[in-house]
Amino acid sequence: DAGVIQSPRHEVTEMGQEVTLRCKPISGHDYLFWYRQTMMRGLELLIYFNNNVPIDDSGMPEDRFSAKMPNASFSTLKIQPSEPRDSAVYFCAFGGNTIYFGEGSWLTVV
Amino acid sequence: KQEVTQIPAALSVPEGENLVLNCSFTDSAIYNLQWFRQDPGKGLTSLLLIQSSQREQTSGRLNASLDKSSGRSTLYIAASQPGDSATYLCAVKGNEKLTFGTGTRLTIIP
Repeated sequence: DAGVIQSPRHEVTEMGQEVTLRCKPISGHDYLFWYRQTMMRGLELLIYFNNNVPIDDSGMPEDRFSAKMPNASFSTLKIQPSEPRDSAVYFCAFGGNTIYFGEGSWLTVV
Repeated sequence: KQEVTQIPAALSVPEGENLVLNCSFTDSAIYNLQWFRQDPGKGLTSLLLIQSSQREQTSGRLNASLDKSSGRSTLYIAASQPGDSATYLCAVKGNEKLTFGTGTRLTIIP
C-alpha cells in the first residue's frame, strides 16, 4: 500500500453498538474514498471526499452510516447502531489519478 | 450507471502459462481504467493504470490493454507463477468515482 493506516484492523461487536472506523492517509491526496466489500456485492463505494469536503454520499446505505473528514490526514466512518448485515471489510482509499487502498477494517456484527 | 463485468469469476492455470483476464464496462466515457490485485485478507494493490487516451500499459510480466470504444480491457500475464495467485479487479474511473468489477480469482497451479 502507499501509506494508508486503517484502524481497527479487526472488530467484533454486538448488534446495536456504535462502530467507528478510522483512516489516516500518510501522504497528501486529492480524494479520500470509503468502500465496503462483501462476498455478495463486491466493492461498493460508500462516500468520497475532495479536499476534506464530502462530494457524494449516495452509496451510504442508510442513516445509520456517517462519515467525517475533519482534516486532510484523518477520516472516520461511523455506524450507529450496527446490525449483522453491516459485517464486511471497510476500505479507505485515497489518491487522484491512481487510487491507493488501506488494508481494510474487518467488521463482524453479531 | 456504469457497470463493470469480469469473466470468468475464477480461473486456474498451470504454472508457466500465459493468461488473459477480461474486463468489460458499459459506459465508454471514462477517464482511466485501473487493474488491482487483492491477496486474501489484504487491501488492493494497484498494478497498472491506463489513461483513456492510451491503448496499453506494461509493467514487467503484466500488460493491460484498453479499447474504450468497445468497452473492454484485458490484463495479460506472461509466464505465470504461483505468486501470481490472487484476485484481480479492474476499475473504471468516471467523473470522479471508481467503479469496480467483481474480480477474477486466479490460481496458478505449481
